[in-house]
This record gives sequence, structure tokens and C-alpha cells, in this order.
Amino acid sequence: AQSVTQPDIHITVSEGASLELRCNYSYGATPYLFWYVQSPGQGLQLLLKYFSGDTLVQGIKGFEAEFKRSQSSFNLRKPSVHWSDAAEYFCAVGSYGGSQGNLIFGKGTKLSVKP
Amino acid sequence: NAGVTQTPKFQVLKTGQSMTLQCAQDMNHEYMSWYRQDPGMGLRLIHYSVGAGITDQGEVPNGYNVSRSTTEDFPLRLLSAAPSQTSVYFCASSYSITLNTEAFFGQGTRLTVV
Repeated sequence: AQSVTQPDIHITVSEGASLELRCNYSYGATPYLFWYVQSPGQGLQLLLKYFSGDTLVQGIKGFEAEFKRSQSSFNLRKPSVHWSDAAEYFCAVGSYGGSQGNLIFGKGTKLSVKP
Repeated sequence: NAGVTQTPKFQVLKTGQSMTLQCAQDMNHEYMSWYRQDPGMGLRLIHYSVGAGITDQGEVPNGYNVSRSTTEDFPLRLLSAAPSQTSVYFCASSYSITLNTEAFFGQGTRLTVV
């Protein structure tokens, strides 16, 4: 079955430190992968997406993610975290519909930023 | 562009009451969907629509109805509210059902059933 796993429920990093949020997926075909961010009380905003080509993709707000087929991973990274990055981050894989629709989400990783 | 607009932002219902959560998009998107978000559960799909007049069930459809009479609107109806339906509800839309289109989300409706 198709699924997305975000192993870390909550991560705390210091402002200025680097960040890596993990995402593993299970999908039979070539995956289409997304990272969304949700600020408190807000909807979800797309950070970046991978469809094909270069396995390192750049997104908004200085984020990047690397697709590794051999590890079934799509980890999100940022070299230097800002206090405004505190939010919840969701990894998602595109699917061909069915009961989960065309996006299957992980359960999210909440990021806290220490001053 | 307003994008995806959800109303209301907050709602408190009594058990057994019915209500409709509104969702409208002005991007001429054909695909629209409703999710509920619960702590530790991520987003779970309730219902979705691939175009006007076409709807289908998602992962957690029980207790909810939808209709899609126009491209722009996709209301979600709670037939008889239960405390288990206390959640944050998100409407999303995308240009098509194909995989390479971004989903746009509304700001959410926080529903409490007492």
C-alpha cells in the first residue's frame, strides 16, 4: 500500500543551525513528491516538489530536498534555520486517486526553533 | 486571486446538529477535496471531486456529504454532528487530478462539537 512516513514527530533546533526533516515513502511506481509547510492557524503551503530530473530540488524560503530512490526517501533540508521557520511540515506523495485521493500525506513533523 | 476560501473559520456545534462548511475556489480548478486534520493523524481525505457533478469518497467519509454543482464550490455537509467530528477541516483544489499539479489549501475551519 502507498504510504508516507515521517519518523520524527517533533524536532527542536537552534536558530542558525542546519535542519533535516526525514521522509520515507512506499510507492510502486515513480513517485511524485511534495513538501508542504503549515504555520500555526494557517493552511498548507507548498515548499517544493519533485517530479523527475535532478534529484536535488530547490524550494521557497531557502529549503531544498533530495530524492533518493534507493532509500525511498525525500528529506527536506535547510542550511540555517530562522525563527520564522517554526511550523509543521508535511511530506506527501502523489497517487492515482483511490480512497486517499491524489495526495497521501505523512503525519507531519513539528519544528520548534530555539533562540 | 482569492485562491481557496473556506467559511466559517470557527464553528461550535451541539451534538446532532447539522451544518455546511463552505469552500470556494476562483482558479478554475477541476479537482477539489476535503481533508480533516487531527493531532498525530496528519491529513485524512474525506471526499473529493474531479469535476462538476462528480464526487467520490475518500478515506474517512462517514458522517459527511458533498456535492459539486459548480466548478467553483465544493461544500461539505455534516449530517448529524458528533464529538468525533471535532477537527480542523481543510479544503484543497488543484488544476487537475494528474499528479504534477500543486494542491492549494484554504485556511481551514476549526470545528468543535460539544
